[in-house]
Amino acid sequence: DAGVIQSPRHEVTEMGQEVTLRCKPISGHNSLFWYRQTMMRGLELLIYFNNNVPIDDSGMPEDRFSAKMPNASFSTLKIQPSEPRDSAVYFCASSPVGARASGEKLFFGSGTQLSVL
Amino acid sequence: SQKIEQNSEALNIQEGKTATLTCNYTNYSPAYLQWYRQDPGRGPVFLLLIRENEKEKRKERLKVTFDTTLKQSLFHITASQPADSATYLCALVGGSYIPTFGRGTSLIVHP
Repeated sequence: DAGVIQSPRHEVTEMGQEVTLRCKPISGHNSLFWYRQTMMRGLELLIYFNNNVPIDDSGMPEDRFSAKMPNASFSTLKIQPSEPRDSAVYFCASSPVGARASGEKLFFGSGTQLSVL
Repeated sequence: SQKIEQNSEALNIQEGKTATLTCNYTNYSPAYLQWYRQDPGRGPVFLLLIRENEKEKRKERLKVTFDTTLKQSLFHITASQPADSATYLCALVGGSYIPTFGRGTSLIVHP
């Protein structure tokens, strides 16, 4: 299995531009998480999907952030308009069916390093 | 508010020694506690999980303890090697089944 695949690996953009981050979870996994990591705040949950449905989006900073999961094999995180304070590493993670019984072990992608100038 | 604390200072040890990392938490009643390893430029990788009714869990050179009274987990790496150098994150999983992460502790094992 290829694992969780995220693209792009690096993104540099200017303030005010739209940014779209992409994630392909592991096949057969039914939970998907978007986290953001910074030195100051560590790993923070942005949004959690289960069976393609957003369950918890309380971590989404503001209306500039939106996430979709149109099917079980694809999710996007969009920032519009982007701001310098959005600069961080964005991780996507997935977990398999039945993970709750075993403690919701997460499989992470390699992340997208976002720099907003 | 819920808080998860891991030592922000890097832990430096000599090869062959046992590394011990600490995870403390407040205002939280986790059902599980997880430990992950993160290498530079990579996503975290799951290592071990321990349930609230378990005191200790082992996997090869790794050992995790979980004290729900002290609200603390200890993560041990015995016979440490330079390849063990990385950042180690603890994560708590409660009723929402959404892992909440600490900020991690960097471990540096010197040859």
